[in-house]
Amino acid sequence: DAKTTQPPSMDCAEGRAANLPCNHSTISGNEYVYWYRQIHSQGPQYIIHGLKNNETNEMASLIITEDRKSSTLILPHATLRDTAVYYCIVRPRTGNTPLVFGKGTRLSVIA
Amino acid sequence: GAVVSQHPSRVICKSGTSVKIECRSLDFQATTMFWYRQFPKQSLMLMATSNEGSKATYEQGVEKDKFLINHASLTLSTLTVTSAHPEDSSFYICSARDRTVGDAKNIQYFGAGTRLSVL
Repeated sequence: DAKTTQPPSMDCAEGRAANLPCNHSTISGNEYVYWYRQIHSQGPQYIIHGLKNNETNEMASLIITEDRKSSTLILPHATLRDTAVYYCIVRPRTGNTPLVFGKGTRLSVIA
Repeated sequence: GAVVSQHPSRVICKSGTSVKIECRSLDFQATTMFWYRQFPKQSLMLMATSNEGSKATYEQGVEKDKFLINHASLTLSTLTVTSAHPEDSSFYICSARDRTVGDAKNIQYFGAGTRLSVL
């Protein structure tokens, strides 16, 4: 069972920041927060992950609350190509535990 | 990021035939690979976990005799759908974990998927 809760859909204007929230109130101390996205008819693409500190890479920023019960993925300047389903997943960083996907958030970037 | 190659991208077959899907990690060794299935408008569902050199572990409800998984090397896993029927039509996606030790590793990478249509 997915251990995260995400809104089913969001819209974002092209060029604006897209802020995608995720609740993971039952996250345990050894679990990381991973974000993936799936563009239509493709395999999921890794975006970013973090434990408790905010993280940034070339694709996005990840903001994790101090109590780690929620996080926000930020796409700073959304483009039409960012239209996809975004999945927030919690999982231990080590070991063989596979990613378990929930329903994710369908982000539509609008021109 | 690391590349996972999946082949074929699309296959159409007649009912009763078998279909093999290949999954390769191109620039890293993957001791563990995963197979997922995705039906239209649904999320990915884990089918099985495949460890190199050992038998795959199947999720509840997935028939191991129907979905044969072989993980013979550190870079190749195959999924064979045996005696395929129309209800097996789906989007099959493989995934491999980069087990490199170090910060920001142990990330799971995905292939592009195989769309299977059984007539």
